[in-house]
Amino acid sequence: AQSVTQLDSHVSVSEGTPVLLRCNYSSSYSPSLFWYVQHPNKGLQLLLKYTSAATLVKGINGFEAEFKKSETSFHLTKPSAHMSDAAEYFCVVSAVTNAGKSTFGDGTTLTVKP
Amino acid sequence: DAGITQSPRHKVTETGTPVTLRCHQTENHRYMYWYRQDPGHGLRLIHYSYGVKDTDKGEVSDGYSVSRSKTEDFLLTLESATSSQTSVYFCAAKGGPDTGELFFGEGSRLTVL
Repeated sequence: AQSVTQLDSHVSVSEGTPVLLRCNYSSSYSPSLFWYVQHPNKGLQLLLKYTSAATLVKGINGFEAEFKKSETSFHLTKPSAHMSDAAEYFCVVSAVTNAGKSTFGDGTTLTVKP
Repeated sequence: DAGITQSPRHKVTETGTPVTLRCHQTENHRYMYWYRQDPGHGLRLIHYSYGVKDTDKGEVSDGYSVSRSKTEDFLLTLESATSSQTSVYFCAAKGGPDTGELFFGEGSRLTVL
């Protein structure tokens, strides 16, 4: 079994300040973890992924995430928010032993204030 | 979008009518998925396919059926649409169960009156 909990449904930051979106996961197997971003009326786009290599993962647009097995967390961060970062973000867990099915968190809406 | 197209992109229908959503991919991905997205629920898996004519249920499969007669096409059918099936439906695909990236279509917005 696997599950994902995104700890904040909404996060609001000012432009130029750091972003932290929190994700905890549960998996019976060695998981792969992903963050996807969804802009309004669009499909989902991969930001970054962890697949048992380096625990600090860098993604597109300056985002990164750190896999912490002891805390079962995979938080997404960015040093400086940009207006274009305003979107919905999904944390996803997947395991090959689960027929590759992915389980999504409920999403975090990021608002960036000027 | 990596070659995933969905049709129709928008549809309004009435309760009790059948509806079919189509997903077409051009990258020869083996695995294909249908999700629905509702506010506060993230994406929930309806059905998935791991090859031609090989499909299985996801977590919210009641009221839905799927078919995959060709690698490139994955159809989602609502046999008799209900208002609770008003949602945005996303198709996704990937090459294998190796936990790689999912590629998404742009979604199909379905309204059932």
